[in-house]
Amino acid sequence: AQSVAQPEDQVNVAEGNPLTVKCTYSVSGNPYLFWYVQYPNRGLQFLLKYITGDNLVKGSYGFEAEFNKSQTSFHLKKPSALVSDSALYFCAVRVDYGQNFVFGPGTRLSVLP
Amino acid sequence: NAGVTQTPKFQVLKTGQSMTLQCAQDMNHNSMYWYRQDPGMGLRLIYYSASEGTTDKGEVPNGYNVSRLNKREFSLRLESAAPSQTSVYFCASSAYRGGSDTQYFGPGTRLTVL
Repeated sequence: AQSVAQPEDQVNVAEGNPLTVKCTYSVSGNPYLFWYVQYPNRGLQFLLKYITGDNLVKGSYGFEAEFNKSQTSFHLKKPSALVSDSALYFCAVRVDYGQNFVFGPGTRLSVLP
Repeated sequence: NAGVTQTPKFQVLKTGQSMTLQCAQDMNHNSMYWYRQDPGMGLRLIYYSASEGTTDKGEVPNGYNVSRLNKREFSLRLESAAPSQTSVYFCASSAYRGGSDTQYFGPGTRLTVL
């Protein structure tokens, strides 16, 4: 069975510092990995995804994520955090055509001014 | 291009009442989904429709029914609401139910059942 873990419920970072939001997954087969962001009282917005190829994926709003197959991880990163990055972040995984997403429980990011 | 729209935005029901949540997408997507979001549990799939004319159960289908009215619209019905169905409901769509296909989400419906 597929599963996704986001080991930190909450991440706090100072504005201007680099941020990392962690995600690990467990699947049988090759994964497709996604990051979504949810701002208060809004739906989920797509940030980036890993399909195949380069392990470093660049996405919207300056975010990037690194796929590490040996560690089964897909951590979200940004070199310099903004207060406006404060939101709830979800990692999701899917395997093969015709399968559904499995979402992690979410990590709340707070960027402090 | 509105993307995925949902109505209503908020709803309060009494136990036993029924209601239908509406969802529409204008991206010509084949696949549509209904999720519920509860604190600390991420999103859980209630039902999905891989293509027009088909619907299938997801992880938590009990107490819900769906209708894929046409390619654009996918509704979720609660026949007899229960307090355990208090949640935020999201509709999503994707081009296909494919491995790398991105899902796009609506703004959500916040439902409270008293």
